[in-house]
Amino acid sequence: QLQLQESGPGLVKPSETLSLTCAVSGGSISSSTYYWGWIRQPPGKGLEWIGSMYYSGSTYYNPTLKSRVTISVDTSKNQFSLKLSSVTAADTAVYYCARSSTMRGHFDPWGQGTLVTVSS
Amino acid sequence: QSALTQPASVSGSPGQSITISCTGTISDVGDYNYVSWYQQHPGKAPKLMIYDVSKRPSGVSNRFSGSKSANTASLTISGLQAEDEADYYCCSYAGSTTLVVFGGGTKLTVL
Repeated sequence: QLQLQESGPGLVKPSETLSLTCAVSGGSISSSTYYWGWIRQPPGKGLEWIGSMYYSGSTYYNPTLKSRVTISVDTSKNQFSLKLSSVTAADTAVYYCARSSTMRGHFDPWGQGTLVTVSS
Repeated sequence: QSALTQPASVSGSPGQSITISCTGTISDVGDYNYVSWYQQHPGKAPKLMIYDVSKRPSGVSNRFSGSKSANTASLTISGLQAEDEADYYCCSYAGSTTLVVFGGGTKLTVL
C-alpha cells in the first residue's frame, strides 16, 4: 500500500525559504504512471494546489505561486521536495503531498500533512 | 477567493440525501470531465471520494455519487450517516495554464 510522509521544519522565519520533503513508501516514485504533487491548507481555510511533478523532472506550478516554488525529485531516495521562497505569514498552512494519476487527474493517496508556521 | 464555488454549508438528517454543488466556468468544470471530490474530517488529510466526475474509488461507499451539468458539478450523498459529517472539496482540471483548481469547501452537518 502506497504511503506518503511529509517532513521538514515546523517554523520558518519571514523572507526565508520553506523546505519540505515527501518520502514515498510502498511504491516507486519513478513509476511512469504517476505524478507527485503538493497541496496546502491555511488554518481554517480551503485547499490550494501548489504544484506537481513527473519523475523525469517535468514540473507544473500554480501560476500564483510559480515565481517562488521549486519542486524536485530524488529517485535514489524515493522522495520529492518542495521549496517555497520569500515566505510570509500568508504561507502558514498544513502542507500535504499526494500522488495523482495524471496532470488532469485526482490526488490519491495523500500524506498526513505537516503544519508550517511562518513567524519571527 | 477559490476558483470553484461551493456552498459554505449544507445539512441533512440521518437517512436523507444531500447534494453539494461546485460551480466553475467553461475553462474548468465546463470543459473537462476531470472533477474530483474529497472528504476531510477535522485534523485529517483529505480522502478521495469521486474522480472523473462520477467514478468511485475502490472502498468508497456507493452512497456517494457524482455528476456534472454544464459548468456545475455535484456530489450527492444518499442515506446520510453520522460519519459523513465532514468538509467536502471539489477539484477540477483547468487547462494547461492554470492546471488545478479547488473549491472553497462545504461543511456537511448531519443533524
